[in-house]
Amino acid sequence: AQSVAQPEDQVNVAEGNPLTVKCTYSVSGNPYLFWYVQYPNRGLQFLLKYITGDNLVKGSYGFEAEFNKSQTSFHLKKPSALVSDSALYFCAVRANTGGFKTIFGAGTRLFVKA
Amino acid sequence: DAMVIQNPRYQVTQFGKPVTLSCSQTLNHNVMYWYQQKSSQAPKLLFHYYDKDFNNEADTPDNFQSRRPNTSFCFLDIRSPGLGDAAMYLCATSNILGGGAYNEQFFGPGTRLTVL
Repeated sequence: AQSVAQPEDQVNVAEGNPLTVKCTYSVSGNPYLFWYVQYPNRGLQFLLKYITGDNLVKGSYGFEAEFNKSQTSFHLKKPSALVSDSALYFCAVRANTGGFKTIFGAGTRLFVKA
Repeated sequence: DAMVIQNPRYQVTQFGKPVTLSCSQTLNHNVMYWYQQKSSQAPKLLFHYYDKDFNNEADTPDNFQSRRPNTSFCFLDIRSPGLGDAAMYLCATSNILGGGAYNEQFFGPGTRLTVL
């Protein structure tokens, strides 16, 4: 069975500091991994994805994520946080063995303090 | 701009009174999804359409139904809303080509349903 774990309910970081939002996954076969961001009263917005190839994936708004197969992790990172990055972040996984169901993590709320 | 549109953004209904939420897309994507999201929790997939093929999640209550009359539109019908059905309902689309399920989903802004 597929699953996604986001071990932190909340991450606090000062503006200008690097941020990391953690994600680990479990899936049969090779995974497709995604990060989405959600602002209050809005739908989810796609940030980046890993399909295959280079383990470091770059996405929107300066975010990047590193795929680590041995640790089954896909942590989201940004070198310098902005107050406007404060939002709810979801990691998601889909198996490449077929099917269109995406499993979402519970979400991590990021607070960036000025 | 190509997008996913949900109407209305806010819907208030009475306990037991049927309600329909609508979703339309200009992306021409072949897969459309309906999710239920409560209190900033993870979105919970209710069902999805791959073209005209309907796929219901095993734990989706019978109270929830869906229709997709054409590629662009998809509806969520709640036949007898209960207090526990109050939530944000998210519509999403994805383009699945050749069996490759690696494309991301595009979400609408959501409809917040209140049940009185």
